[in-house]
Amino acid sequence: SYELTQPPSVSVSPGQTARITCSGDALPKQYAYWYQQKPGQAPVLVIYKDSERPSGIPERFSGSSSGTTVTLTISGVQAEDEADYYCQSADSSGTLVFGGGTKLTVL
Amino acid sequence: EVQLVESGGGLVKPGGSLRLSCAASGFTFSSYSMNWVRQAPGKGLEWVSSISSSSSYIYYADSVKGRFTISRDNAKNSLYLQMNSLRAEDTAVYYCARWTVGATQEGFDYWGQGTLVTVSS
Repeated sequence: SYELTQPPSVSVSPGQTARITCSGDALPKQYAYWYQQKPGQAPVLVIYKDSERPSGIPERFSGSSSGTTVTLTISGVQAEDEADYYCQSADSSGTLVFGGGTKLTVL
Repeated sequence: EVQLVESGGGLVKPGGSLRLSCAASGFTFSSYSMNWVRQAPGKGLEWVSSISSSSSYIYYADSVKGRFTISRDNAKNSLYLQMNSLRAEDTAVYYCARWTVGATQEGFDYWGQGTLVTVSS
């Protein structure tokens, strides 16, 4: 079955830039989406179609794509950005998949 | 205001069945595809199943195929998940999530609060 691979954890200091990657063979052909999940809460969509930002999401969140890897970048990380982040995409048959998740720690 | 409210979770023995419901309000339910996504305790998100707006297209994760059945009733603004032959590994919080397709937003844009399913003897 199709898999998306994320690093388990990323740590950054406040004000620094955090980059979270997500790799998958179908990513050159399928869009990626990114979700933020804080403890005890439902996920929140922060990036769609690789690099688009939904209304209400701060400009410090951005996304990019290169080949089989997509990247979520958080510029000027704030303490409130500490959360789990998940990438999500689809395979050619229409089934959806999430990456394993990355815990972002703000030092 | 868009709201998704799941219900039907609980404790069930291995091999048992459970039916989850998701009541939707605040939007035209019949215009959106809907999904179930689960999260085992302390683990990541796992997509479970999706159903198109008119129920024409239905997809399942391999892990639940043949055991779970997704359905919807557009007249009642409700989404369902019938879960049979439950296993310990099905223990999770089950979220109902709306999938939006549009020029200004796309993805799982609204989620319910989740309902906990525990499979244990």
